[in-house]
Amino acid sequence: KAGVTQTPRYLIKTRGQQVTLSCSPISGHRSVSWYQQTPGQGLQFLFEYFSETQRNKGNFPGRFSGRQFSNSRSEMNVSTLELGDSALYLCASSSGRSSYEQYFGPGTRLTVT
Amino acid sequence: GENVEQHPSTLSVQEGDSAVIKCTYSDSASNYFPWYKQELGKGPQLIIDIRSNVGEKKDQRIAVTLNKTAKHFSLHITETQPEDSAVYFCAAIPYNAGNMLTFGGGTRLMVKP
Repeated sequence: KAGVTQTPRYLIKTRGQQVTLSCSPISGHRSVSWYQQTPGQGLQFLFEYFSETQRNKGNFPGRFSGRQFSNSRSEMNVSTLELGDSALYLCASSSGRSSYEQYFGPGTRLTVT
Repeated sequence: GENVEQHPSTLSVQEGDSAVIKCTYSDSASNYFPWYKQELGKGPQLIIDIRSNVGEKKDQRIAVTLNKTAKHFSLHITETQPEDSAVYFCAAIPYNAGNMLTFGGGTRLMVKP
């Protein structure tokens, strides 16, 4: 099976802009979670989508949003970018049923200047 | 919410020695505890996990132990090899939290040849 894919892999944006990141889960997986990884805060949960519905949300401002499509692919959007949004954004895929196992993609490295 | 602490933050061992990384968690309702290995430029890779109804689990050179009473769990790597060098993260998911992983701060393991 193909693994989790994320596009783009690298992105440079300017403060105030918005950005959309994409994640394609492992075939058959219905749950997609997003995480932010920074040197200072470590790995932090953003939100989880299961069957196109947001199932959980972490403690991030409303500028961070996401959605999931009927084919389980997911996007996350960050509006009005701030310098502190520079991070590695990771997507994780899970079957979403009784299994908790999550498999991560390679991430999108976002740099805000 | 859940809080996971991980120690040590860095660990240096000689090739062939054992390595142990420890984590404590705060939410007694947590019931799933995975360990991830992250190499430079890659997303975290699930290497082993354990559920709250199991005390120990082994997979070749890797083992995880869980002490529910003390709310701590540990990763044991035996016969370490240079390719084991990476950052290791522990995590926990509380019951009824979907797939929301709370991560420890990470341990940078260096295996010297």
